[in-house]
Amino acid sequence: GAVVSQHPSRVICKSGTSVKIECRSLDFQATTMFWYRQFPKQSLMLMATSNEGSKATYEQGVEKDKFLINHASLTLSTLTVTSAHPEDSSFYICSAGKEAQPQHFGDGTRLSIL
Amino acid sequence: QKEVEQDPGPLSVPEGAIVSLNCTYSNSAFQYFMWYRQYSRKGPELLMYTYSSGNKEDGRFTAQVDKSSKYISLFIRDSQPSDSATYLCAMAINSNYQLIWGAGTKLIIKP
Repeated sequence: GAVVSQHPSRVICKSGTSVKIECRSLDFQATTMFWYRQFPKQSLMLMATSNEGSKATYEQGVEKDKFLINHASLTLSTLTVTSAHPEDSSFYICSAGKEAQPQHFGDGTRLSIL
Repeated sequence: QKEVEQDPGPLSVPEGAIVSLNCTYSNSAFQYFMWYRQYSRKGPELLMYTYSSGNKEDGRFTAQVDKSSKYISLFIRDSQPSDSATYLCAMAINSNYQLIWGAGTKLIIKP
């Protein structure tokens, strides 16, 4: 199946730090990338949808100034959690998709803010 | 009422049993149906993808879609302890639309 690489897999940092997470589709050109957040024992919650070369579309309740998304190429999207606080601690997962194909997911990033 | 209903379990079965996982949905506009498997602290892994009613088989896995009843199933034959994971159903209106997720069913296969 398609391969999506997400990096880093684990981040522990102090409150107030900004954290960047990268998502790469390794073997196909993804027209759309999605960013999710997942709390323990819950399903995935969509945060935003990004298309290459255009601004991301954020879901209701997701702060676009807090969660900056850049989709600079068909194989790379980044999520930056700005001035992270303990309540931002979570499991963040990206996925990549293209027309007529299902989404393929990265392995997630576990973010812990102290 | 949620758009997609899925029993969170846990569902515990002995090794070798046939497992049946199910989701129901309310939006008749859904055309694409997926099953993902998620191990703890990992991203979801696509197992099955279908866009028509009927059965689709891949190895030990069979996905079944009944659009008239708005009901989808995933069957796992000859279940193994390594199949223990959370299984999530997901649906979409078109192929690159956002996914609507079930809650996920935690499956435990006992050796």
